[in-house]
Amino acid sequence: GQNIDQPTEMTATEGAIVQINCTYQTSGFNGLFWYQQHAGEAPTFLSYNVLDGLEEKGRFSSFLSRSKGYSYLLLKELQMKDSASYLCAVAFSGGYNKLIFGAGTRLAVHP
Amino acid sequence: DTAVSQTPKYLVTQMGNDKSIKCEQNLGHDTMYWYKQDSKKFLKIMFSYNNKELIINETVPNRFSPKSPDKAHLNLHINSLELGDSAVYFCASSQDWAYEQYFGPGTRLTVT
Repeated sequence: GQNIDQPTEMTATEGAIVQINCTYQTSGFNGLFWYQQHAGEAPTFLSYNVLDGLEEKGRFSSFLSRSKGYSYLLLKELQMKDSASYLCAVAFSGGYNKLIFGAGTRLAVHP
Repeated sequence: DTAVSQTPKYLVTQMGNDKSIKCEQNLGHDTMYWYKQDSKKFLKIMFSYNNKELIINETVPNRFSPKSPDKAHLNLHINSLELGDSAVYFCASSQDWAYEQYFGPGTRLTVT
């Protein structure tokens, strides 16, 4: 299978840092994406990792370890507007690549 | 000048009916997708087209039929609607599979 696991829910305080983990089965791995989805809205792209290491983009960073089948999304200086679901999606090879999405992590940011 | 648009945004219909959802992208992308997001928020790929050619066809009942008249449009027709078809359907597009996907606003389908 192509299971992707991430925590269901997390809570954090405004101004803090939160790390959302994602694990996946490494067979056929061809890249990992993070998307943000606010309630009732469409997912929007946050980051893409295909090589090991950390990709930083403003307050958001994403890390990948291909050998461990592990990624995390790091959100710094949390703001109330960061309350949303964060979807980890893995591209698996097999002819044409397709994205398999995790169930998402619902993050609630409190004052 | 919305990048990926879908119509309608809401669709309420009865079991057994046939309905269509339309999607258009003005980003010049070659690849378009249909996803289904159920009540548990799982986002699952249904179909993908690359330059009007069907390249991904997941295990979806054949009551669902996608059509791509040109690479900017991807429509989804659903025959004999069932209660279990109730979900949010998202259209998306990307330059290629390795690039970020841009999602439309979604169509919330409710079958009664």
